[in-house]
Amino acid sequence: DTEVTQTPKHLVMGMTNKKSLKCEQHMGHRAMYWYKQKAKKPPELMFVYSYEKLSINESVPSRFSPECPNSSLLNLHLHALQPEDSALYLCASSQERGAGLPDTQYFGPGTRLTVL
Amino acid sequence: GQNIDQPTEMTATEGAIVQINCTYQTSGFNGLFWYQQHAGEAPTFLSYNVLDGLEEKGRFSSFLSRSKGYSYLLLKELQMKDSASYLCAVRGSTNAGKSTFGDGTTLTVKP
Repeated sequence: DTEVTQTPKHLVMGMTNKKSLKCEQHMGHRAMYWYKQKAKKPPELMFVYSYEKLSINESVPSRFSPECPNSSLLNLHLHALQPEDSALYLCASSQERGAGLPDTQYFGPGTRLTVL
Repeated sequence: GQNIDQPTEMTATEGAIVQINCTYQTSGFNGLFWYQQHAGEAPTFLSYNVLDGLEEKGRFSSFLSRSKGYSYLLLKELQMKDSASYLCAVRGSTNAGKSTFGDGTTLTVKP
């Protein structure tokens, strides 16, 4: 199984809503990532979890709250978002081979988020 | 910091060969990755280089020169389905787990 799954595929929410994005992998990977991607731009790293601990937060606003319940699951909780947060949200995972070793990331299909 | 440069757009003809270049300046180096991304879809892994030289995978090859901070992705026997964005990503030695992506090169394959 080399698949990273994400739900939902599409999400439309108002600025006062609370919603969650979910990501799952069963490749035994120990690093999981959230990226945000706007049209015609590269993925922009938001968070990295390594061995279920948050290792990187790229100064993301607190209206985005990540959670890693276990090594296979990664959530992104959304609250009080702004229209400019509309984007494709990508989850990825990798083995986490540590500094000094290449570590291929495998991406999920993404959640297309629209904030009204 | 990390700086990655790729051409914004390229056009090539079906059946031809195209080379997409990537230059980088990073704090340390732990691998360079190439991803393909079709419009509206997630990036898919194509190849990675950690040592100098050429890595070949079917119609795709990737080359790395660490001393020059330079890589290229070579696509042979182009097919229409190769029209996509090609992303170069570099993993530095600080912040294990973090790769920095270039802005991507949009390749259009014409008949």
